[in-house]
Amino acid sequence: GQQVMQIPQYQHVQEGEDFTTYCNSSTTLSNIQWYKQRPGGHPVFLIQLVKSGEVKKQKRLTFQFGEAKKNSSLHITATQTTDVGTYFCAGRSNFGNEKLTFGTGTRLTIIP
Amino acid sequence: DGGITQSPKYLFRKEGQNVTLSCEQNLNHDAMYWYRQDPGQGLRLIYYSQIVNDFQKGDIAEGYSVSREKKESFPLTVTSAQKNPTAFYLCASTQIYLTGHEQFFGPGTRLTVL
Repeated sequence: GQQVMQIPQYQHVQEGEDFTTYCNSSTTLSNIQWYKQRPGGHPVFLIQLVKSGEVKKQKRLTFQFGEAKKNSSLHITATQTTDVGTYFCAGRSNFGNEKLTFGTGTRLTIIP
Repeated sequence: DGGITQSPKYLFRKEGQNVTLSCEQNLNHDAMYWYRQDPGQGLRLIYYSQIVNDFQKGDIAEGYSVSREKKESFPLTVTSAQKNPTAFYLCASTQIYLTGHEQFFGPGTRLTVL
């Protein structure tokens, strides 16, 4: 079955440093979504990417979808303490199939 | 306020007992999902339903059962056949025909089996 892996599993950064998490799927995706889960909370949707090579920005966050639509990345510039949490990618293999496969997540901690 | 509610937040059960987790949404969403989250393993799909009276197994359905008798409700039963039921259970919903297809999550139920 479809597998979605993320690296790294954990990342500790000094406040103000940049952070990147990478997502790789075993199969080609129709689209990919990113979610953030704060400690003790539930996942919250951040963004969806659909097109090959697509790049989207949300303030200090930059999301990319690979040309082959099998990988994606999330980059945070100049991290802040509010960025703490676990970031998940989630891929959908076929349009019309409402099943999402979540990645293993990257847990980000910030050292003040 | 529109959203997804899960109850209870914390649940303790003795080994061998079945337990039902509640999930209700008033977002008028067609699709609903149950996920299990264990430390370091992300979210794994248990069951999902795209329409009332229909549901599909996810990746880890063994030991679980669901029903979808109403659009708003998608309860999950953790049966005694589930070998390691202690986990954080998350319910989600989405409106299939919107372009975003984002999933909205409830606050979760933390189940501990003693």
